Amino acid sequence: GEDVEQSLFLSVREGDSSVINCTYTDSSSTYLYWYKQEPGAGLQLLTYIFSNMDMKQDQRLTVLLNKKDKHLSLRIADTQTGDSAIYFCAENAGGNQFYFGTGTSLTVIP
Amino acid sequence: SQTIHQWPATLVQPVGSPLSLECTVEGTSNPNLYWYRQAAGRGLQLLFYSVGIGQISSEVPQNLSASRPQDRQFILSSKKLLLSDSGFYLCAWSAQKQFFGPGTRLTVL
Repeated sequence: GEDVEQSLFLSVREGDSSVINCTYTDSSSTYLYWYKQEPGAGLQLLTYIFSNMDMKQDQRLTVLLNKKDKHLSLRIADTQTGDSAIYFCAENAGGNQFYFGTGTSLTVIP
Repeated sequence: SQTIHQWPATLVQPVGSPLSLECTVEGTSNPNLYWYRQAAGRGLQLLFYSVGIGQISSEVPQNLSASRPQDRQFILSSKKLLLSDSGFYLCAWSAQKQFFGPGTRLTVL
């Protein structure tokens, strides 16, 4: 299957920006997604980007896509303690299957 | 708007007992439905997906099975649970984007 990779941990101070990175291998990816999972809960879709876009901004969230390098990032501006969670990137090539990374655990230090 | 429900929220079962987890979706028709398991190590493992009533694709051979008796109902079952079946089970539906239910925490003792 397709590989989607993320670093496991990230710590930032409250008020700083967080950047969570993801690489994928499927060059036919059509959609790329970022999900947030809080403890004991399901995955919440945060944002997504089509493969023909380079950037998408939604309030404090900025998604950057480098299709050539197959690299996706999520930037969270002014990170708050409520942003502490596990963040998953995922990709879909238009078919039935979605491929998820292993998740990045973000810890926000007050 | 669409919503997805799972129950029970938590379950503690002895080894060798049967299992039935239910997932229902509201507000959409003919969705693709999925069962994932999330072990303690965090990654999501796709177990089954369904593109329609009675149509089930199995991704991983194991002692679990899935059924889709109605368009918006997806059931995960087992005849005899193993210790290794413990985990967090997530149901999801998709239409370009994938949306997850709240999950069921299963502990097999």
